[in-house]
Amino acid sequence: GENVEQHPSTLSVQEGDSAVIKCTYSDSASNYFPWYKQELGKRPQLIIDIRSNVGEKKDQRIAVTLNKTAKHFSLHITETQPEDSAVYFCAAVEGGADGLTFGKGTHLIIQP
Amino acid sequence: ETGVTQSPTHLIKTRGQQVTLRCSSQSGHNTVSWYQQALGQGPQFIFQYYREEENGRGNFPPRFSGLQFPNYSSELNVNALELDDSALYLCASSPLGAGSSYEQYFGPGTRLTVT
Repeated sequence: GENVEQHPSTLSVQEGDSAVIKCTYSDSASNYFPWYKQELGKRPQLIIDIRSNVGEKKDQRIAVTLNKTAKHFSLHITETQPEDSAVYFCAAVEGGADGLTFGKGTHLIIQP
Repeated sequence: ETGVTQSPTHLIKTRGQQVTLRCSSQSGHNTVSWYQQALGQGPQFIFQYYREEENGRGNFPPRFSGLQFPNYSSELNVNALELDDSALYLCASSPLGAGSSYEQYFGPGTRLTVT
């Protein structure tokens, strides 16, 4: 089955700086890679996703890159703001009948 | 458009008991997946329902079972509760299933505590 590794487990950055979270996956057949943001006590919220036929996707301050050869993908947040503080999860899946395999999460702390 | 809803919000059960959790999918979504999220961990896939049948399953024992109804809502049933079943149970709905990878949108979860 799929295995997703996520790093770092905790990331502290100054407000206004950029944050990068990295994930690797094991199953080369995986073709969909979403990122979720989960604030304390709340549901995971889909913030961006990428499919295997695309190398990069951007949505305002958030971008995701995918390297299929190396089997890794990354989340980039620019101009970080206090409301970006949360736990971020990456995930991967091969097909619709399979569930998402999640990484263990990154606690992002934005320092004022 | 109505988002994913779950009930109840919190539940306390005793070891050995049975529990049923409920999920209403987002409007227009016909596939429901269930996840277990232990404290400080990422969600773990339990199973997925599409067209009222189990469409995929993660590494969970048979005492975890489910149902999907014609209106696409779903139930998760857990028998013979164990202390390790204490977790946040999340359901997620997506617009299509059976071989396609689509966005999954999560409900607020049910916090289950087993004592």
